[in-house]
Amino acid sequence: TQLLEQSPQFLSIQEGENLTVYCNSSSVFSSLQWYRQEPGEGPVLLVTVVTGGEVKKLKRLTFQFGDARKDSSLHITAAQPGDTGLYLCAGGFGSYQLTFGKGTKLSVIP
Amino acid sequence: EAGVAQSPRYKIIEKRQSVAFWCNPISGHATLYWYQQILGQGPKLLIQFQNNGVVDDSQLPKDRFSAERLKGVDSTLKIQPAKLEDSAVYLCASSSGLANTGELFFGEGSRLTVL
Repeated sequence: TQLLEQSPQFLSIQEGENLTVYCNSSSVFSSLQWYRQEPGEGPVLLVTVVTGGEVKKLKRLTFQFGDARKDSSLHITAAQPGDTGLYLCAGGFGSYQLTFGKGTKLSVIP
Repeated sequence: EAGVAQSPRYKIIEKRQSVAFWCNPISGHATLYWYQQILGQGPKLLIQFQNNGVVDDSQLPKDRFSAERLKGVDSTLKIQPAKLEDSAVYLCASSSGLANTGELFFGEGSRLTVL
């Protein structure tokens, strides 16, 4: 089983601040997905990246896939209380395996 | 379009008892997953089905956990006998294909408490 490390584990910030969370592995990903999970619900897909160096933007969220496809980051600009949740990265290995990290729990304080 | 349906939402049992969880995936989705999510951790894959065949069950504790997907649609996950460490949320997800670049659609989960 491949291991993904996410950091930080917990993050509490004020509304309007910027933040970055990270996802790292010693293995090369074939793909990388980011999900957000709210309490009492299942994770919801935010983005999928497959090409090393790829950058995708989703409104105030910017996702980057490392050149070597071993790491990824999620940057949120001007965080809002609605961004609160558990952010999970999921690394693809081979053609069908998908392994989740432990997540970063984000709290945005109004 | 209806999402992934799971039941029950909550279940409390004593250790050594048995429990079963049911999942109905999105219509037409060939791939179905069962994940275990312990509090404070990310989802851990227990079993992955492609239609009614098992693709990956390497992390399923087969001495106590079993799962089936008859007719390639609904699925049931059973735990017998339950242990304290089985307390977790059991998430079912489905996707249209087998590739790990596709979106996984998750249900709301079934929260199990083992006393």
